[in-house]
Amino acid sequence: GEDVEQSLFLSVREGDSSVINCTYTDSSSTYLYWYKQEPGAGLQLLTYIFSNMDMKQDQRLTVLLNKKDKHLSLRIADTQTGDSAIYFCAESSGGANNLFFGTGTRLTVIP
Amino acid sequence: NAGVTQTPKFRILKIGQSMTLQCAQDMNHNYMYWYRQDPGMGLKLIYYSVGAGITDKGEVPNGYNVSRSTTEDFPLRLELAAPSQTSVYFCASSGAAGENGYTFGSGTRLTVV
Repeated sequence: GEDVEQSLFLSVREGDSSVINCTYTDSSSTYLYWYKQEPGAGLQLLTYIFSNMDMKQDQRLTVLLNKKDKHLSLRIADTQTGDSAIYFCAESSGGANNLFFGTGTRLTVIP
Repeated sequence: NAGVTQTPKFRILKIGQSMTLQCAQDMNHNYMYWYRQDPGMGLKLIYYSVGAGITDKGEVPNGYNVSRSTTEDFPLRLELAAPSQTSVYFCASSGAAGENGYTFGSGTRLTVV
């Protein structure tokens, strides 16, 4: 089946940039997503990128997509302690309504 | 706007007991999903539904059942609880537009002892 991989942990200092990486296997993905999960809560959609784009910027968030390498990244500029959470990458290979999630990357922001 | 509502938030079950996890959405979404989340394992799809009266198995359906009698509700049933079903369960829904992704509920933390 489809495989979406992320590293499990990332630590950064407050004010630095964070880069969370994701690789996927299915080249037919239509949309790719980043979700944020805060402790004890469900997943919230942060941003998405359509597969024919290579970059999307939304305030402090920058998503880069390398379709050739099947690599997706999320850059958070000026990381704050409130950004500490688990970040999930997801891709839609079975159509827009069939998402496959990565294992999640736990981001810890050190004051 | 309530979105996706899950109940209960927490539950402890004894081995062999049964229970139903409730999920309701008020966004008129056709698609609904049940996931379980285990530490370091990400989200695994249990069951999903593309509309009222239609359900399909996901990646890890064993030990679970679902029904979809209305657009709004998608309950998940555990018939004979086992320790391996200790997990956090998330319900989600989506409309047809891909750019909106899924809307998730806040989860049910289930412990089977």
